[in-house]
Amino acid sequence: GAGVSQSPSNKVTEKGKDVELRCDPISGHTALYWYRQSLGQGLEFLIYFQGNSAPDKSGLPSDRFSAERTGGSVSTLTIQRTQQEDSAVYLCASSWGGGLGETQYFGPGTRLLVL
Amino acid sequence: AQSVSQHNHHVILSEAASLELGCNYSYGGTVNLFWYVQYPGQHLQLLLKYFSGDPLVKGIKGFEAEFIKSKFSFNLRKPSVQWSDTAEYFCALRQVNFNKFYFGSGTKLNVKP
Repeated sequence: GAGVSQSPSNKVTEKGKDVELRCDPISGHTALYWYRQSLGQGLEFLIYFQGNSAPDKSGLPSDRFSAERTGGSVSTLTIQRTQQEDSAVYLCASSWGGGLGETQYFGPGTRLLVL
Repeated sequence: AQSVSQHNHHVILSEAASLELGCNYSYGGTVNLFWYVQYPGQHLQLLLKYFSGDPLVKGIKGFEAEFIKSKFSFNLRKPSVQWSDTAEYFCALRQVNFNKFYFGSGTKLNVKP
């Protein structure tokens, strides 16, 4: 079946503008994760959705960042009033949801550049 | 706080050389451990994983990793690398009671033909 998809693949924006990044997880996956990968850094956990439970937002770096997941499927990560330090690759991953054999499947990422 | 450390940031090898990439973590509870690989221009994909049982785990493309609990390590090995192994490798940890993953900063492997 189809893998995790993300859009747009690239986004260039001006400092201060808002951006929305979209993630379509693998069908049937109940868990969805957002990560940020800055140049030369590892993957930084941002937020985690599991089914209908309240999301784990502990990784969001500031209140400019928010995410939602509609209908337990598609997720949107919103960055308000973007700053240059927000420039990074934003990765989405999904998994079946909490089992012992849990494996994350990653999307191709959205490369965000804030000028 | 939980963390995953990959001390080798950039490794350059010739084909047929042996590979060992270090991964250490700090977390006292039960963990699942993973190695992910990102080939140039491709998505991150799972290389191998450890959940329980035999601490020596075999993955795709001849890779293996050994979980040494006493050393909090999960090093990745391959006896003979190929040019096609050129990629970035990430070690990751999952806290078993929380579905949260922590990734290392990655190791870029460059295999010279």
